[in-house]
Amino acid sequence: EVQLVQSGGGLVQPGGSRRLSCQASGLTVSSYWMHWVRQAPGKGLVWVSRINSDGSSTNYADSVKGRFTISRDNAKDTLYLQMNSLRAEDTAVYFCAREYYNDYGEFRLDHWGHGTLVIVSS
Amino acid sequence: DIQMTQSPSSLSASEGDRVTITCQASQDISNDLNWYQQKPGKPPKLLIYDASNLETGVPSRFSGSGSGTDFTFTISSLQPEDIATYYCQQYDYLPLTFGGGTKVEIE
Repeated sequence: EVQLVQSGGGLVQPGGSRRLSCQASGLTVSSYWMHWVRQAPGKGLVWVSRINSDGSSTNYADSVKGRFTISRDNAKDTLYLQMNSLRAEDTAVYFCAREYYNDYGEFRLDHWGHGTLVIVSS
Repeated sequence: DIQMTQSPSSLSASEGDRVTITCQASQDISNDLNWYQQKPGKPPKLLIYDASNLETGVPSRFSGSGSGTDFTFTISSLQPEDIATYYCQQYDYLPLTFGGGTKVEIE
């Protein structure tokens, strides 16, 4: 089965840290850009970060810049999101997603993880 | 950041009805727009890419159109399994931004 298996969510205190993982199974991700997207409870989708295929280029939403770090280990087919200095407003389901982009300029997030819930609360 | 304004935020329609959702970008994004469907407790699922291209395996009752700043997503004949929230998403510029979502219900 083609899937992105996520782990690492849970309850964390404000100011704390958490690392999320997203491991590919049955699909190739090593040659693709990968993204993190989050969704606060009952709210819409918000883009968080992306990383290129070899990990040399990253981008972040302003709301997480300097606190979150995206990385990957292609030998393990795994994407990570290290989240530091967590705030209550970071509470959300975090999804990883694979980016498909072709020479025609067509972009889409074509495979998504099931999501993992991070709750920031004391 | 490019703002994506989606409307309506929710709608209720009967099975078999034609349903239309609009998405307006705060600036010209050409046809750099995708549509996703999200059911409760599930991740988003890509339906339409590049404004009007149907993703493989997606039923043909779903369609998209538009370019520039104004886009439309249509379900030609609403089915019970289409109950979900739908999001537009632009990829013309980072940060990627999504519309606020349209929750579709059956009357």
